[in-house]
Amino acid sequence: TQLLEQSPQFLSIQEGENLTVYCNSSSVFSSLQWYRQEPGEGPVLLVTVVTGGEVKKLKRLTFQFGDARKDSSLHITAAQPGDTGLYLCAGAGKGNYQLIWGAGTKLIIKP
Amino acid sequence: NAGVTQTPKFQVLKTGQSMTLQCAQDMNHNSMYWYRQDPGMGLRLIYYSASEGTTDKGEVPNGYNVSRLNKREFSLRLESAAPSQTSVYFCASSPTGFSTDTQYFGPGTRLTVL
Repeated sequence: TQLLEQSPQFLSIQEGENLTVYCNSSSVFSSLQWYRQEPGEGPVLLVTVVTGGEVKKLKRLTFQFGDARKDSSLHITAAQPGDTGLYLCAGAGKGNYQLIWGAGTKLIIKP
Repeated sequence: NAGVTQTPKFQVLKTGQSMTLQCAQDMNHNSMYWYRQDPGMGLRLIYYSASEGTTDKGEVPNGYNVSRLNKREFSLRLESAAPSQTSVYFCASSPTGFSTDTQYFGPGTRLTVL
């Protein structure tokens, strides 16, 4: 069974600080996605990574896919209150049609 | 474009009652999904439909049935609700169903079974 573990489960920091959250597995994934979910809404895609070692930047957010395609990280520089939300990672599962989802990291950025 | 819409937004049921959750998308996507989200467990796939006319079981299909009514609509039915089905249900759609597609989610239905 493929599993994705996210850490930390919860993170509360002050505005302006930097942070990194992790998504780890013992299985290899052909691709991995990061979504952000705000309270009362559905998840929204932030990025898709498909190549081992790939780094993608989205403004202050930097996403990295591990060389062995078993793990990924999300780094936020100078966090802002608008970054608050639940960050979910999801990897390609069986048959490439299903996603395996992590439980998420709940991030709170205090003004 | 409304994207993915779900009805109802909230529902309270008694054990044993039945109900249907409705989902529609206006993006001409081929694939549609039903997930449940429980605290500390992430999203779990209940059923998905790779294209109009086909449906397949996901990770947690027991107690649920689905209907892909047409390309736009994908409904989820609870025939006899149980307290273990208390959850937030999300419908999603994607263009082709391949894992690198963006999945577009609806706002969710918050279901409580007493």
